[in-house]
Amino acid sequence: AQSVTQPDIHITVSEGASLELRCNYSYGATPYLFWYVQSPGQGLQLLLKYFSGDTLVQGIKGFEAEFKRSQSSFNLRKPSVHWSDAAEYFCAVASNFGNEKLTFGTGTRLTIIP
Amino acid sequence: NAGVTQTPKFRVLKTGQSMTLLCAQDMNHEYMYWYRQDPGMGLRLIHYSVGEGTTAKGEVPDGYNVSRLKKQNFLLGLESAAPSQTSVYFCASSYRGVSTDTQYFGPGTRLTVL
Repeated sequence: AQSVTQPDIHITVSEGASLELRCNYSYGATPYLFWYVQSPGQGLQLLLKYFSGDTLVQGIKGFEAEFKRSQSSFNLRKPSVHWSDAAEYFCAVASNFGNEKLTFGTGTRLTIIP
Repeated sequence: NAGVTQTPKFRVLKTGQSMTLLCAQDMNHEYMYWYRQDPGMGLRLIHYSVGEGTTAKGEVPDGYNVSRLKKQNFLLGLESAAPSQTSVYFCASSYRGVSTDTQYFGPGTRLTVL
């Protein structure tokens, strides 16, 4: 069964500092990987996704993520955070068997301090 | 273009009452999904539909029913609400399946069962 672990429940960073959010997945084959962002009171918005090819994926709002098969990781990064990046971030994995099961991690809440 | 909309935004039920949550999308998407989000947990798939007139069970289907009579609408029903169904419910849609296409999420419905 596929699963996702986001080890950090809450992260606080200063505005302008760099950010890395961790995501580890468990899946037997090559997974499809996603990062979503959820602002307070809002639905989820897709930041980026990895299906195949280049292991460094660029997304919206200046985010990027790197797929590392050897570490079963798909960490999200941003070189300089803005106050508007404060939100909850979810990593998710899907299988390539067409069973429509998108498995989400428990989320990481990001707080930005001035 | 409203995207994915959900009705109602908030609802309080008493144990044993029934209700229907409505999800509508105007993007001509084939696939539609219902998720629930609980504190400390990622989103979990309740039911989904791969086209008009079809439905399928997700990860946590017990206590819920769904219908997809029209392509643009996906209804989630609770026949006899229980406190364990207190949650935030999200609807999502995509043109094709989760392994090939981006899911677009609605703003959510916050349901409290007393």
